[in-house]
Amino acid sequence: RKEVEQDPGPFNVPEGATVAFNCTYSNSASQSFFWYRQDCRKEPKLLMSVYSSGNEDGRFTAQLNRASQYISLLIRDSKLSDSATYLCVVNSNSGYALNFGKGTSLLVTP
Amino acid sequence: DAGITQSPRHKVTETGTPVTLRCHQTENHRYMYWYRQDPGHGLRLIHYSYGVKDTDKGEVSDGYSVSRSKTEDFLLTLESATSSQTSVYFCANAAGPGTSGRAGEQYFGPGTRLTVT
Repeated sequence: RKEVEQDPGPFNVPEGATVAFNCTYSNSASQSFFWYRQDCRKEPKLLMSVYSSGNEDGRFTAQLNRASQYISLLIRDSKLSDSATYLCVVNSNSGYALNFGKGTSLLVTP
Repeated sequence: DAGITQSPRHKVTETGTPVTLRCHQTENHRYMYWYRQDPGHGLRLIHYSYGVKDTDKGEVSDGYSVSRSKTEDFLLTLESATSSQTSVYFCANAAGPGTSGRAGEQYFGPGTRLTVT
């Protein structure tokens, strides 16, 4: 079983739509959770950390469900500029390294 | 801005030649990482460093070595390049564990596109 699994998509949504991504992780001892964004042929960039109580940053909301070992990202009022690949990230057994999911592709259309 | 640069940004080399990629950070972060990214595999950790001269292997370390003689520089060497090492290589850094000793956020350089012919 992969450490971090995501639906690769693509998710095609119109501008203004709300879209949600989920990912699951296998290591129940994981303590660090993140969402990264990666544009085509660019480096991954940190979108937000994910906290146990859930957290929000503008149009983006992240949730963590430890019991079910899944993480979600909700994007409200989608913009064309939100088109990218979203990577779910969880710390590895080594503690200081991170495991990256393969990413979920989002395309926001006019 | 993570303050990470990578050089070269693009390189074409022949099978069997040694190749060294450089990662340079302007922060004084303790942790640095090398990843490769390939279609269908996502980002995979090659090696990482938790201090000067302190390194450890990642998921896909065979055929690669690293060195860190200064806090700001982390070098990745392909000892004898093979076509399977054609990839995009990303370097990242991190200040260290976050609260409660958890792994902290990592920040990435712009990547090096390596083609081995």
